[in-house]
Amino acid sequence: GQQVMQIPQYQHVQEGEDFTTYCNSSTTLSNIQWYKQRPGGHPVFLIQLVKSGEVKKQKRLTFQFGEAKKNSSLHITATQTTDVGTYFCAANTGNQFYFGTGTSLTVIP
Amino acid sequence: NAGVTQTPKFQVLKTGQSMTLQCAQDMNHEYMSWYRQDPGMGLRLIHYSVGAGITDQGEVPNGYNVSRSTTEDFPLRLLSAAPSQTSVYFCASSPWGEKYGYTFGSGTRLTVV
Repeated sequence: GQQVMQIPQYQHVQEGEDFTTYCNSSTTLSNIQWYKQRPGGHPVFLIQLVKSGEVKKQKRLTFQFGEAKKNSSLHITATQTTDVGTYFCAANTGNQFYFGTGTSLTVIP
Repeated sequence: NAGVTQTPKFQVLKTGQSMTLQCAQDMNHEYMSWYRQDPGMGLRLIHYSVGAGITDQGEVPNGYNVSRSTTEDFPLRLLSAAPSQTSVYFCASSPWGEKYGYTFGSGTRLTVV
């Protein structure tokens, strides 16, 4: 099946530092989605990227889709304690959506 | 709108028992799916459905059955529970089409002893 690799698996940052998680695929993706899961919660849809080289922003979050549509990144500027959680990328192959293994973000106050 | 509702929230089963995890959505979404989440392994697709009467297997379908008799409901059946099925199960739905994100239920935490 579709392999979507995500790194790093864990990241600890001091509050106010930046954070980036990366998602990589061996095949070209038609689109990529990003989700956030708070501890003990369920995944919540953040955004979808479709176009090559696309960049979208949501307040302190910046999402990028690579030119070759094989990789994507999520960057958080000046992390806050409310950013704590696991961030997943997801990509579809036909009718099936495959999730990356996620990056667990801990923010140290 | 309630969104995606999963029941029960918690369940403990003995090995060999069977049970059904319920999932219902009130958003008239065509696409529904079941995932299991295990530590370090992300979300793995068990089964999915693109509409009433249509189901298909995902990455890890063994030991699970599904049916989709209505647009709203997509139950997941564990035929004979095994300790390896201890996990958190999420149901998700979306409108048909690639441009939509999934709406997830709050999950069922299942322990098989």
